[in-house]
Amino acid sequence: KNEVEQSPQNLTAQEGEFITINCSYSVGISALHWLQQHPGGGIVSLFMLSSGKKKHGRLIATINIQEKHSSLHITASHPRDSAVYICAVNGLSGAQKLVFGQGTRLTINP
Amino acid sequence: DSGVTQTPKHLITATGQRVTLRCSPRSGDLSVYWYQQSLDQGLQFLIQYYNGEERAKGNILERFSAQQFPDLHSELNLSSLELGDSALYFCASSGTSGSLGTGELFFGEGSRLTVL
Repeated sequence: KNEVEQSPQNLTAQEGEFITINCSYSVGISALHWLQQHPGGGIVSLFMLSSGKKKHGRLIATINIQEKHSSLHITASHPRDSAVYICAVNGLSGAQKLVFGQGTRLTINP
Repeated sequence: DSGVTQTPKHLITATGQRVTLRCSPRSGDLSVYWYQQSLDQGLQFLIQYYNGEERAKGNILERFSAQQFPDLHSELNLSSLELGDSALYFCASSGTSGSLGTGELFFGEGSRLTVL
């Protein structure tokens, strides 16, 4: 069993829909990252969080440390949101030895 | 633009060869991280440097080595290349205030290595 599990692996939705991507992890963590990888391959950091909730534009990330679970929400989804979304966690050692989930491929159709 | 520069963007080489990938971090960032992304293994952490010193090691093969220079740029050296080393290699930097920490990461565009 992987330390970081994402669901779903693939998600196709229509423009405007509310999107939720889930991430569960099995180890204690100091922080969790949500990353976005576009088809060209580049990776962008969306959020880094260790508790509660963060919002940036149409993106919202939440984390529940007790349940070892995080969610990434996209409101009013748009075709440009189509990408692979990757969850990654830092263990408690403090060093940035990220452990990555397998990614969720999101496709938003117009 | 993340401010992190990686070169080369693409590299094709043969088995048994040696290559060097280069990363310039964002101005002022002291930490540099290397990651490998392959089709079968996904993204994996390789190694972290902070201000010239190795700070954390992940799943980095003995055939691979890295260093961070006084100007903070970093190089990842891959030797005795095998077909399975074909992957995207990402560098990231962060502006952590200490040698450890969980600063936000800024990724380069990656170097795509193809071993034939």
